[in-house]
Formats: sequence, C-alpha cells, structure tokens
Amino acid sequence: AQSVTQLGSHVSVSEGALVLLRCNYSSSVPPYLFWYVQYPNQGLQLLLKYTTGATLVKGINGFEAEFKKSETSFHLTKPSAHMSDAAEYFCAVSYSSASKIIFGSGTRLSIRP
Amino acid sequence: KAGVTQTPRYLIKTRGQQVTLSCSPISGHRSVSWYQQTPGQGLQFLFEYFSETQRNKGNFPGRFSGRQFSNSRSEMNVSTLELGDSALYLCASSLASTPGTSGRRAGETQYFGPGTRLLVL
Repeated sequence: AQSVTQLGSHVSVSEGALVLLRCNYSSSVPPYLFWYVQYPNQGLQLLLKYTTGATLVKGINGFEAEFKKSETSFHLTKPSAHMSDAAEYFCAVSYSSASKIIFGSGTRLSIRP
Repeated sequence: KAGVTQTPRYLIKTRGQQVTLSCSPISGHRSVSWYQQTPGQGLQFLFEYFSETQRNKGNFPGRFSGRQFSNSRSEMNVSTLELGDSALYLCASSLASTPGTSGRRAGETQYFGPGTRLLVL
C-alpha cells in the first residue's frame, strides 16, 4: 500500500538553526510530493511541491525540499529557523492513478529563542 | 481573489444528530475535496467532487456523504453522529481546468479552507 512516513512527531530547533523535517514515501510508481504547513486553528497552506523536472524544489518562506528517488525521500529544509516557522508540517503524496492525496502524520516544529 | 471559505467554523452537536457543512471553493475552481483531521488518525481523505459528481471516495462509512452544486459549492453531511466524528473537517479546492479531465489531476495544487471544527457530545 502506498504510504507516507514522517520521522519525528515533534522537532525542536533553536532560532537561526537549520530545520530538517524528514519524509519518506513508499511507492513503485512516480509520485507527486507536497509539503504543507498548518498554523493553529487554520487550514493547510502549500509550502512546495514536486511534480516533474528539477529534484530540488524551492518553496515559500525560505523552505526547500529535494526529491531523492533512490532513497524514496522528500525531506524539507530551511537554513535558518525563525520563530514564525513554529507550526505543524505535513508531507503528502499523490499518484497519477488516483486523485486523492495521502498525508503523513505530521511533524510539529517548535523554535527555541 | 477570495480563498476557500467554510461555514460554520465551529459546531457542537450531540450523538445521533446529523450535521451539514458547507464549502465555497475559490472562484473558478471546479474540484472540491473533503478531509477529516483528528489527533489519532491524522488527515484522511473523505471524497472529491467535480462537475457535481463524486469522483473519488475514501474509507468512511455511508453516514458520510456529500454533494456539489452547479456553482461548484459543496456540502458534506454526516448522519447519526458518533463521538468519534469529532474532528476538524477541511475542504480543499483545485482548478481542474484541463479539458477532458474528470477531476483534479494528481499533481495539481489543492487550496485549503480554514476548516469546520465539529464537537460531538
């Protein structure tokens, strides 16, 4: 079955430090990959997505992710964390054979002053 | 352009009642999907509507249903509410404008509304 795994339900980093949120998917067909962010009491906002082409994808708010087919990964990074980055982050995958999106369980990112 | 709107934002019901949630997609968007978000199960796909037809459905019981109107607005209904139905219900819309498509393409971006938080007592 196709699935998405986010390693670490909670990640805490210091302000200014590197942010790394991990996402792995299981699939035998090419995936479309997404990262969404959810702030408290709000819906999801798309940070970035990978469909085809360049494997390094740049998104909003300084985030980027790299699609690594050999590792079936799509980790999200940001060079320098800001207090406003504190939120829950969801990795998601979909496939051309189905229109629904499968979400990971989410990673709550906390930023220490 | 206005984003996806959902009404009501908060709702309290008791077991056995039914509830209807509404979603207005971004103007021009033709596909609407619904998701349930709970602390235990995370984000789960309920169904997708396109051109007033259900195009895809998740693994939810028949108590969960939906519909889409000609203006692309969508409603979802939950009958005979159970305590476990307490959740944040999110609606997402997509353009789905490619000619000949039967809904949202797999790589197409979904834009989410703020959600309706349902509490069942």
